[in-house]
Amino acid sequence: DMRMTQSPSTLSASVGETVSITCRASENTNQWVAWLQHKPGKAPKLLIYKATILDRGVPSRFSGSASGTQFTLTISSLQPDDIATYYCHYYDSTSKTFGQGTKVEVK
Amino acid sequence: EVQLAESGGGLVRPGGSLRLSCAASGFSIDYAAMNWVRHAPGKGLEWVAHITYSGRVTFYGDSVRGRFTISRDNGKNELYLEMNRLRAEDTGIYYCVAESFSGYYLENWGHGTQVTVS
Repeated sequence: DMRMTQSPSTLSASVGETVSITCRASENTNQWVAWLQHKPGKAPKLLIYKATILDRGVPSRFSGSASGTQFTLTISSLQPDDIATYYCHYYDSTSKTFGQGTKVEVK
Repeated sequence: EVQLAESGGGLVRPGGSLRLSCAASGFSIDYAAMNWVRHAPGKGLEWVAHITYSGRVTFYGDSVRGRFTISRDNGKNELYLEMNRLRAEDTGIYYCVAESFSGYYLENWGHGTQVTVS
């Protein structure tokens, strides 16, 4: 079974800083990896799919990259509105696997 | 605008049953594969179940297989989750999620319905 190991579990940064979150897959993913933003009390929101493609309407300060089985979400110039928990998830035609989540806080 | 509205959550005793519904508006689910995803308190997101656009094929996460059943009524534009033999660890917010037409990623999410098993 696919496993997605996400780190760090929490991170704290100042407004304007660049932050990165990493997910490592246990197997080949064909780059079928997405990133979600989840704010308390709200529906999770798709940010990136196919590892690097920004969903429509998502600010350009969010970006995704991939190297082998390692995937990275980068937020350039962190904003107060970016306070949330972020999840990577692997997807295929039969199942989905989530990373453990990264809680982002603004100092 | 695509909207997914879950209902049917509530408080239930261990061993009991609940049926969740998800009503879609702003798009037709006819050609969309659909999923249920849950969020337990203090934990991360967990995929629960998937159903193909036709409803003919279903898949389940290990923790719910044999207890939960996902189904759909494309004529009513609705998705369902029948939950039996509920356990305390099934407590959480349950989200209805539509996959993208162009891939298998989870594109459109409802706001969720709370299920509490206690």
